[in-house]
Amino acid sequence: EVQLVESGGVVVQPGGSLRLSCAASGFTFDDYAMHWVRQAPGKGLEWVSLISWDGGSTYYADSVKGRFTISRDNSKNSLYLQMNSLRAEDTALYYCAKGEQFDYWGQGTLVTVSS
Amino acid sequence: DVVMTQSPLSLPVTLGQPASISCRSSQSLVYSDGNTYLNWFQQRPGQSPRRLIYKVSNRDSGVPDRFSGSGSGTDFTLKISRVEAEDVGVYYCMQGTHWPPITFGQGTRLEIK
Repeated sequence: EVQLVESGGVVVQPGGSLRLSCAASGFTFDDYAMHWVRQAPGKGLEWVSLISWDGGSTYYADSVKGRFTISRDNSKNSLYLQMNSLRAEDTALYYCAKGEQFDYWGQGTLVTVSS
Repeated sequence: DVVMTQSPLSLPVTLGQPASISCRSSQSLVYSDGNTYLNWFQQRPGQSPRRLIYKVSNRDSGVPDRFSGSGSGTDFTLKISRVEAEDVGVYYCMQGTHWPPITFGQGTRLEIK
């Protein structure tokens, strides 16, 4: 059974940093690209970032480019999102999703940026 | 960026009746490999999104056959043949043809009338 478990979400002050993790199981992790997608409270889905199966290629939404860094450790079946210079508008539930076509999603981890 | 426009944004439906959601893209979603990367997701209240349909019309495993996807180019539709109580939630279309960025529609909230 595919499982994606996000963690690391907390309350952080504007300008702060945070690292989210996504632990994957139930599939061959290094066969798949992985995404981060976020959902602000009461809002729709916003794609954040994509990383290729080997970590060699990464892509970002303009809203996070230069502030967020996606990475993965295939030896640990884990996906990460390093978030720097956080802003109030980054407040959201952050999901990791499997594969280029988003076939499985985690339950999300909540990031709140507030003073 | 490709803009995905869904309609309606709110969809009250009587149990047992059909429902239809439209999704239009600002440019054709046909990729150079001939595939059209248009997916549909369901998000039930308090849950994570779940993929229902991939590449326009392919139903995911475990998805009831009352759900169907159709369309081509820039116009796509998700249909539910007979709405059940468990279908309540928000439905999103998503394009994965022209990226970055990958883009989602605004979401359509389905409720029981």
